[in-house]
Amino acid sequence: QKEVEQNSGPLSVPEGAIASLNCTYSDRGSQSFFWYRQYSGKSPELIMSIYSNGDKEDGRFTAQLNKASQYVSLLIRDSQPSDSATYLCAAGSNYKLTFGKGTLLTVNP
Amino acid sequence: DADVTQTPRNRITKTGKRIMLECSQTKGHDRMYWYRQDPGLGLRLIYYSFDVKDINKGEISDGYSVSRQAQAKFSLSLESAIPNQTALYFCATGTGGDEQYFGPGTRLTVT
Repeated sequence: QKEVEQNSGPLSVPEGAIASLNCTYSDRGSQSFFWYRQYSGKSPELIMSIYSNGDKEDGRFTAQLNKASQYVSLLIRDSQPSDSATYLCAAGSNYKLTFGKGTLLTVNP
Repeated sequence: DADVTQTPRNRITKTGKRIMLECSQTKGHDRMYWYRQDPGLGLRLIYYSFDVKDINKGEISDGYSVSRQAQAKFSLSLESAIPNQTALYFCATGTGGDEQYFGPGTRLTVT
């Protein structure tokens, strides 16, 4: 059974701070990793993908992957109230994704 | 216009009724997926299709069936709806790598 575990949250940070979201996965065959953002009542939106060990930066977002530890993280710098949402971590292989249950992030003005 | 559309967006139905949820996409993607999302359980895969002639069961296919009418259309049916099928249903598409793109969702309530 493939599993993706996320820190359960909720996570609350002040505006301007760094939000750190973490995820571990069980299937060592996973080849791709994604972070989705989901606002309440809306659909998941792909915000980051990472495929190799190390860091990948896109604007205020940095994804980190450590395949040896089976660990993925997402850092959000200069957090804004508009970043308040549930963040879903997903691990992919063979064109299928396994999702974590999500971490609710609240950014307080 | 949205790349992935789902109809209806909201539906209330009674136990035992047959219901169909429809998904259409203009992305030209080969792969299409149906998920349900429940509070505390996350997104779970119901069925997926890699092309028109390829249909596969996901982790929770019991009580559901699907039809891939064309590359752009993938429908999910509940043959005899039951209350524990009350959930938010998402269609997703994919091409190239593993990443998927989601439709807006259908909120289904079975009373």
